[in-house]
Amino acid sequence: EAQVTQNPRYLITVTGKKLTVTCSQNMNHEYMSWYRQDPGLGLRQIYYSMNVEVTDKGDVPEGYKVSRKEKRNFPLILESPSPNQTSLYFCASRPAGTRGYEQYFGPGTRLTVT
Amino acid sequence: RKEVEQDPGPFNVPEGATVAFNCTYSNSASQSFFWYRQDCRKEPKLLMSVYSSGNEDGRFTAQLNRASQYISLLIRDSKLSDSATYLCVVNTRYGGATNKLIFGTGTLLAVQP
Repeated sequence: EAQVTQNPRYLITVTGKKLTVTCSQNMNHEYMSWYRQDPGLGLRQIYYSMNVEVTDKGDVPEGYKVSRKEKRNFPLILESPSPNQTSLYFCASRPAGTRGYEQYFGPGTRLTVT
Repeated sequence: RKEVEQDPGPFNVPEGATVAFNCTYSNSASQSFFWYRQDCRKEPKLLMSVYSSGNEDGRFTAQLNRASQYISLLIRDSKLSDSATYLCVVNTRYGGATNKLIFGTGTLLAVQP
């Protein structure tokens, strides 16, 4: 089954404790993104990657890191989480160069930082 | 001003009603347009693309007016299962070859029995 998977689905952590949210897709998509979704603000892009070893900042990259060492994986790293990073996070992927631009989203990770 | 604006709702409608959602976008360089559906606490999923000539998929009709930078979604004969948040999404090119999807904040639809 074609899908984007994220782990963990739920995470409660404390300020300053480094964490990684994993993302994996099995569709051989070139393009992957991370978004956060907050009430009243909608989905905002954190980082994106157009292919292996190619990453770039989105609209709200502060406090986050990513890496793309393999095509299928695109982990999101919070080196020192803070309460304002409490949010619902989605990983997404799509093929490169398609006008349709359908993005496939993972199921989401609900992160709470206390 | 937000790049993509939607009425947040909620729209509370009875089963069988026809409901219309509107969306405006600010960047005239926007190239393609979509409606996504998001169920509570779930991931967004593509509902339909929006074409200049207008397009229909069963009970759903999408329209695009490039001159007014306006997109609409019409749902006929609403079902309880249509209850969700509907996201207006616009694809815009920002220099070079970078395309970016901009998401509206969504319109909440609640269909009542």
